[in-house]
Amino acid sequence: EDQVTQSPEALRLQEGESSSLNCSYTVSGLRGLFWYRQDPGKGPEFLFTLYSAGEEKEKERLKATLTKKESFLHITAPKPEDSATYLCAVQAGGNQFYFGTGTSLTVIP
Amino acid sequence: DTGVSQDPRHKITKRGQNVTFRCDPISEHNRLYWYRQTLGQGPEFLTYFQNEAQLEKSRLLSDRFSAERPKGSFSTLEIQRTEQGDSAMYLCASSQDSYNEQFFGPGTRLTVL
Repeated sequence: EDQVTQSPEALRLQEGESSSLNCSYTVSGLRGLFWYRQDPGKGPEFLFTLYSAGEEKEKERLKATLTKKESFLHITAPKPEDSATYLCAVQAGGNQFYFGTGTSLTVIP
Repeated sequence: DTGVSQDPRHKITKRGQNVTFRCDPISEHNRLYWYRQTLGQGPEFLTYFQNEAQLEKSRLLSDRFSAERPKGSFSTLEIQRTEQGDSAMYLCASSQDSYNEQFFGPGTRLTVL
């Protein structure tokens, strides 16, 4: 069964304290893995797409990596404005999309 | 350029009533997706369109849910005979043919009393 699991469910960091979020997946025929940021009451905001193991993408303080079974979102020296829920999604071979339940990140000044 | 828009942003209805939501995708995007999101969960895929063709609808939650995309432009999601369990955020997203990134609208928050 296609499945996406994110950990931890919640993460509290001090400003400047780097960390990583995990997204593990089991899907048949991975076509792509996506990271989104979601603020309360809003739609998800696209961050990255990764297509193959070994691929990396960076944007400001965020860096996403992909292996055959999981993806990591690394946050370097986070700021309070990075506080949000980070969602991982995978596109399976049947062209369906599966989202994880997200990691709620709080960055404390 | 405007992003994906959804209307209404909030809808309060009584159990048993029908509701319809509208989504306007980014203008050059051919694919349009509908999701449902409940509190503390990730978006749950419901259905998607390639232009006006609905290519996947097996994930619609029940036969009370239906979606259309006439002329391959805007789309509507209808829920008939609403139940309290239908209360959720309904999200619409769009993407180009050749790209898989989906861009989401702000969502419609449905509350069924």
